[in-house]
Amino acid sequence: DAGVIQSPRHEVTEMGQEVTLRCKPISGHNSLFWYRQTMMRGLELLIYFNNNVPIDDSGMPEDRFSAKMPNASFSTLKIQPSEPRDSAVYFCASSPTGRNTEAFFGQGTRLTVV
Amino acid sequence: GESVGLHLPTLSVQEGDNSIINCAYSNSASDYFIWYKQESGKGPQFIIDIRSNMDKRQGQRVTVLLNKTVKHLSLQIAATQPGDSAVYFCAEIPMDTGRRALTFGSGTRLQVQP
Repeated sequence: DAGVIQSPRHEVTEMGQEVTLRCKPISGHNSLFWYRQTMMRGLELLIYFNNNVPIDDSGMPEDRFSAKMPNASFSTLKIQPSEPRDSAVYFCASSPTGRNTEAFFGQGTRLTVV
Repeated sequence: GESVGLHLPTLSVQEGDNSIINCAYSNSASDYFIWYKQESGKGPQFIIDIRSNMDKRQGQRVTVLLNKTVKHLSLQIAATQPGDSAVYFCAEIPMDTGRRALTFGSGTRLQVQP
């Protein structure tokens, strides 16, 4: 398996524009997580899905952020409108069924909003 | 590119020495812990995990120790190599919330001097 695949690897956009980040989890994994990493706040959980259903979105910063998982092999994280403070590395991770299991991370998308 | 903070605590060791990285966790209800390694420009990578019914677990060159009394976790790396240079994160899953997503600590940077 190729692991968790994220696209794009890098995104530079202007303030106010819509940004969509994409993730393909590992086949067979039932849980998917979106994390954000910044210098100030470290790794923060934004939202996670179990069997394509959002379970906990309490980490989503505000209404400008939305995430979807239309099927077991694809998820998106959208920011509209984007702001400079959204600049960060966004990671997607997936894990198999079961409560206590490791999460496998993608390579991340580095987002820069200018 | 750099994906972690510049103000992380740093542990500098000589190649061949043993390294000990420490982590304090706050939730006494956490029942599953993982150590992750993150190299520059990459996503976190699983190293080793431990459940709360254990106090020690060994892997290849790595050992994790768990002290639930003082809520302390440590990662020991034997015969540290230049390839071990990275940022190391501890992560936990609390049992009391039903939330099965990992919560990450702030990280420690390990620098291995040749």
